[in-house]
Amino acid sequence: QVQLVESGGGVVQPGRSLRLSCAVSGITLSGFAMHWVRQAPGKGLEWVAVISYDGTNKQYAESVKGRFSISRDNSKNMVQLQMDSLSAEDTAVYYCARGVDRNYYGMNVWGQGTRVIVSS
Amino acid sequence: SFELTQPPSVSVSPGQAASITCSGDDLDNKYVCWYQQKPGQSPVLVIYQDVKRPSGIPERFSGSNSGNTATLTISGTQAMDEADYYCQAWDGSTVVFGGGTKLTVL
Repeated sequence: QVQLVESGGGVVQPGRSLRLSCAVSGITLSGFAMHWVRQAPGKGLEWVAVISYDGTNKQYAESVKGRFSISRDNSKNMVQLQMDSLSAEDTAVYYCARGVDRNYYGMNVWGQGTRVIVSS
Repeated sequence: SFELTQPPSVSVSPGQAASITCSGDDLDNKYVCWYQQKPGQSPVLVIYQDVKRPSGIPERFSGSNSGNTATLTISGTQAMDEADYYCQAWDGSTVVFGGGTKLTVL
């Protein structure tokens, strides 16, 4: 059974950093694009970042560009999201999601999410 | 920037067909997918590449994409289908989600 488990969330002060991890079990990460998607309390889904199946291509939402960095380690079946210069607007549940394939046309496996609260 | 627009809410009677629209410029030149999200749960992909159903998704879920509008149709809607639905597309450089539609079955 394919499972994605996010970790690393918590309460952090504005301006500080946090690193989220997504551990994948049940299937290899290789060959699939990996995404981070967030959802602020009571709001809709907001895409954050994607990394290509081989890690060579990374794309970011404008709202996090320059502050967040996505990475992957296919040998460890793990994806990470480094989040710097956090602000209250980054408060959300962060989901790791696997692409349907190496393209960016859908996400068919999602983790349970990890909550990030940015507050002083 | 590319945007996807969905109606905030749609209501349907049990057993009837529900249609949820997603509008965006030149949308039929992009692949659209749809997610279902129930309260307190992670999203679930129900349609991808406009019309494809992932394994395990009931046949009553179908999709279409023409012109500037993509549509998710749920035929024979059941109470368990009550949820938020999001459309999503790739605009060539970023993933875009629609604002979401709350489907109420009453």
